[in-house]
Parts: sequence; structure tokens; C-alpha cells
Amino acid sequence: NAGVTQTPKFRVLKTGQSMTLLCAQDMNHEYMYWYRQDPGMGLRLIHYSVGEGTTAKGEVPDGYNVSRLKKQNFLLGLESAAPSQTSVYFCASSPRQGAVDGYTFGSGTRLTVV
Amino acid sequence: GQQLNQSPQSMFIQEGEDVSMNCTSSSIFNTWLWYKQEPGEGPVLLIALYKAGELTSNGRLTAQFGITRKDSFLNISASIPSDVGIYFCAGQNYGGSQGNLIFGKGTKLSVKP
Repeated sequence: NAGVTQTPKFRVLKTGQSMTLLCAQDMNHEYMYWYRQDPGMGLRLIHYSVGEGTTAKGEVPDGYNVSRLKKQNFLLGLESAAPSQTSVYFCASSPRQGAVDGYTFGSGTRLTVV
Repeated sequence: GQQLNQSPQSMFIQEGEDVSMNCTSSSIFNTWLWYKQEPGEGPVLLIALYKAGELTSNGRLTAQFGITRKDSFLNISASIPSDVGIYFCAGQNYGGSQGNLIFGKGTKLSVKP
């Protein structure tokens, strides 16, 4: 059972380039989340999804877009990368809202924008 | 929005010592959680607390949900080198976007053998 898988694990982008981060879960979870982690800032929610075909903004959504075309996948897109988006990105999933014991995180994607 | 104040930011301790860290909020939460993150990995849930005043243990870890519902603490007894990592508190309420977790900024723990 793989849980939550994030690809790629590392990426270096030039300013202005675009890319998509993929999150896949095999636990049939309804909810999926994208966080960014910066030194001294903890985890901040970018976007989340409460089900296939639905997305919503989190605390820091600017500069990012997301899509949830399939229940098991949650994609995070950067249309025009900026150095301020250098961060470690984590995806998480949960079976339902309030299911804190079912919050499963991926191992992260380290993104550097130069 | 809601914010969590987690302290201390970092700790350097000797193996065998006890550790205490806490989290406070200006507003109440229905659930408090404690996560541990090891280098290169995502956070892993250690303890979840669901009731004000609740005291829960997981091995050498003990956490409490404050009576006011605005704070929580985590204790680690007799620390060992594998306790190294970043510990995060998180709070959660129910309903809409408030069902999402709010994370503290983390306590980085270093243990000297």
C-alpha cells in the first residue's frame, strides 16, 4: 500500500517556467490538500479538494492552480514560477473532513526557482 | 485567520532528558494534534486529542488538550537519538474550510547521544 505518492521529489526551475506537481493516493480518500513548508513558517495550506472535480483556496493560493480530475490524483500547477515559490511542497489526503487520524502526508517535493 | 504559537522554536538536549513543548492559540479548537517530521519525509501523526482536558500517551510521548481549548502541550520522556526531528502542533475545527488543519511553526529537536 503506497499511501500518498508525490512526483517529482526534486526540481529546479528558472523564473517564469511552468510545472506541475503530481500527488496520487491509493486509499480512496475524498479530501486532498497541498501545503508548502518554508523554514520557520510551518505548513501553510495552498489549495484543497473535498472531492473529485472540486477545489478550493487555502491560506496561500496566489501563483498556484490545482485540478482534481480523478479522485486519486491532485495536481498543483505553477504557471510562471517565481523565486518566492522556492519551498518544499507536501500533499496530504484524508477520508473525510474531521478525520484527523486519517491525514496521510506524502514525502514532499523540493522545488527551487532560480 | 487562526494562528498557533508553538514554543520553543528549537531544543538541544542530552539523551535521556525529558522534553516539553507547547502550542497556544488566540481562539479555540475542537481537536489538537501533534505530528513529527523527520528529514526528507512528510509529517506523521503522533497523538490526536479530541476533548478539553484530555491526556493521552503514546509510548514515551504524552500530550494534553488544554481546558480552555486554546492550548496543548507535548512531553517526551527519556529522549533517545531517534526522537530527532521537527514536531508540529495542529488545531482543527469542524465545518467548511475550518475543517482544515492549522499548523504551528514547529519545534526542532536535537538530541546529543
